[in-house]
Amino acid sequence: ELKVEQNPLFLSMQEGKNYTIYCNYSTTSDRLYWYRQDPGKSLESLFVLLSNGAVKQEGRLMASLDTKARLSTLHITAAVHDLSATYFCAVANSGYALNFGKGTSLLVTP
Amino acid sequence: GAVVSQHPSRVICKSGTSVKIECRSLDFQATTMFWYRQFPKQSLMLMATSNEGSKATYEQGVEKDKFLINHASLTLSTLTVTSAHPEDSSFYICTPYAGGANEQFFGPGTRLTVL
Repeated sequence: ELKVEQNPLFLSMQEGKNYTIYCNYSTTSDRLYWYRQDPGKSLESLFVLLSNGAVKQEGRLMASLDTKARLSTLHITAAVHDLSATYFCAVANSGYALNFGKGTSLLVTP
Repeated sequence: GAVVSQHPSRVICKSGTSVKIECRSLDFQATTMFWYRQFPKQSLMLMATSNEGSKATYEQGVEKDKFLINHASLTLSTLTVTSAHPEDSSFYICTPYAGGANEQFFGPGTRLTVL
């Protein structure tokens, strides 16, 4: 069974600070996704990582993938309040359905 | 990204009634449809997978006779919650998927509240 673990589950950080969210998964997969969810809304796609060593960046967010360690990271640089949301990593199984981590609830404070 | 619609976006119903949720992929043909649900303060859990023209396969713990899925075309899938009860109150989200595609986009979701 494919398991996905995220940490931390809750993160309160000051504006301007950097932090990293970690996502570990239990079995081999060739697709890892990061999504953002705002309260009451559905998921917004942030990144899809397909290969070992993949790194993608969009604004203050950067995601990376190490398939050998079965680890992905989502790095936040110089956080701003608008980044407050819940972030999910998800790993595709062999049928392409997604197994989600529990999510990281991020609050960026002044 | 892909355009996915769900209808209704929000529904409140009485216990024992049935509710139908529609999911449409507006700009691509979805050979597969994934249905997820999300309980408050929790993550998303896969409920079922359907392929166009085939019966859906359900995840363990999801009653196939309660959650009826129809994927009659490459752009439309429906999820019917039959005889809904308060414990079925949840956020239901679909993901149309074109086999082999890298990206997966989620519908806007349907919030079901059963009184």
